[in-house]
Amino acid sequence: QVQLQESGPGLVKPSQTLSLTCSVSGGSINTSDFYWNWIRQHPVKGLEWVGYIYKSGDTYYNPSIKSRPTISLDMSKNQFSLTLTSVTAADTAVYYCARVARIARKWWFDPWGQGTQVTVSS
Amino acid sequence: EIVMTQSPAILSVSPGERATLSCRASQNIFSNIAWFQQKPGQAPRLLLYGASNRASGIPARFSGSGSGTDFTLSISSLQSEDFAFYFCQQYNNWPLTFGGGTKVDIK
Repeated sequence: QVQLQESGPGLVKPSQTLSLTCSVSGGSINTSDFYWNWIRQHPVKGLEWVGYIYKSGDTYYNPSIKSRPTISLDMSKNQFSLTLTSVTAADTAVYYCARVARIARKWWFDPWGQGTQVTVSS
Repeated sequence: EIVMTQSPAILSVSPGERATLSCRASQNIFSNIAWFQQKPGQAPRLLLYGASNRASGIPARFSGSGSGTDFTLSISSLQSEDFAFYFCQQYNNWPLTFGGGTKVDIK
């Protein structure tokens, strides 16, 4: 059974770069079957999909977050990561990693990691 | 992007009673909706996909209905472990989007 676990600093200063890692166990990220995603949950705005990466390195990001996020893969560690530049208080959220099947219109998130709280504050 | 609107924001229900949660899409998403349960400090858990298909291990008291733009999640007889936060997700189009959620609490 695949499990995902997020890790990273809980506090980031405004204008700096947020970096998080998702460790995947029980299955390989080097698979043609899935996209690997980041999602965040704001205290008031709710849930927002950030972006995904495929094993080829192809990525797709939420247009609403524009060019700030970057998702990358580390096949040797079976991990994928999120960096978000120029953070502001609006980036304060719980960040989740999750898997989505590549099959058309089976794009529900399952499973999810437990999430990691990130607070942007000086 | 498709906007998902959930109601009510908070639903107070007595144990053993039925709970009915709603999710409305801003455009036709056919049956491409999933429902999740979330408890504090835990990973969200997939309950239903395809509007009405229960995920593996999900009890039969959870059911879903609807197609097009209006969807419902029903919990037939609330157990203590069902008091939680529930949200919907559409997967008809990218970007994938979520409803704002419904908190089901004890009346």
